[in-house]
Amino acid sequence: KNQVEQSPQSLIILEGKNCTLQCNYTVSPFSNLRWYKQDTGRGPVSLTIMTFSENTKSNGRYTATLDADTKQSSLHITASQLSDSASYICVVSAPGYSSASKIIFGSGTRLSIRP
Amino acid sequence: DTAVSQTPKYLVTQMGNDKSIKCEQNLGHDTMYWYKQDSKKFLKIMFSYNNKELIINETVPNRFSPKSPDKAHLNLHINSLELGDSAVYFCASSQVPYEQYFGPGTRLTVT
Repeated sequence: KNQVEQSPQSLIILEGKNCTLQCNYTVSPFSNLRWYKQDTGRGPVSLTIMTFSENTKSNGRYTATLDADTKQSSLHITASQLSDSASYICVVSAPGYSSASKIIFGSGTRLSIRP
Repeated sequence: DTAVSQTPKYLVTQMGNDKSIKCEQNLGHDTMYWYKQDSKKFLKIMFSYNNKELIINETVPNRFSPKSPDKAHLNLHINSLELGDSAVYFCASSQVPYEQYFGPGTRLTVT
């Protein structure tokens, strides 16, 4: 069964600190992996997208890594800011686009940044 | 300029009623989607349209019916609302596969 599991479920850190969020998946075959940021009361916004051949992608203070062999991804946030408080969702897609079962969402990690 | 917009933002209604949620995108994308986000925050795709043609139809109750009058609009009509339909519904659009832009969501509460 295709699954995407994220850890931790929630995380609280102090402003200015770094943190790393984890995403493990069993989706096979694999096409790409995305990280989304979802602010409270808003829709998800794409942060990074990585295909099978990419193992790292950065977007400002956000750096995503991908190990397609172990089916693991991480999202590292550097020098956290209060505006980073949000849910971070990992999404894994299988090849083909005509079936909903090929787009698997994780339940997200709720990140809270404290001043 | 809002890229993907949804109306209404909040919808409170009673069981058994019929309601619609509207979605519009001004990005010129060919593909639009409806997602449901439940209380556990899982996002699940419900439908996807490409150039007004249904391409994804996940196993949702047939009380849910999407309608796409043109490729910039994808509306969701729900008949005979049930308590379990309470959730946040997100519309999204994309041009490049897997790169989706989400709307702000519609919080549906069925009482």
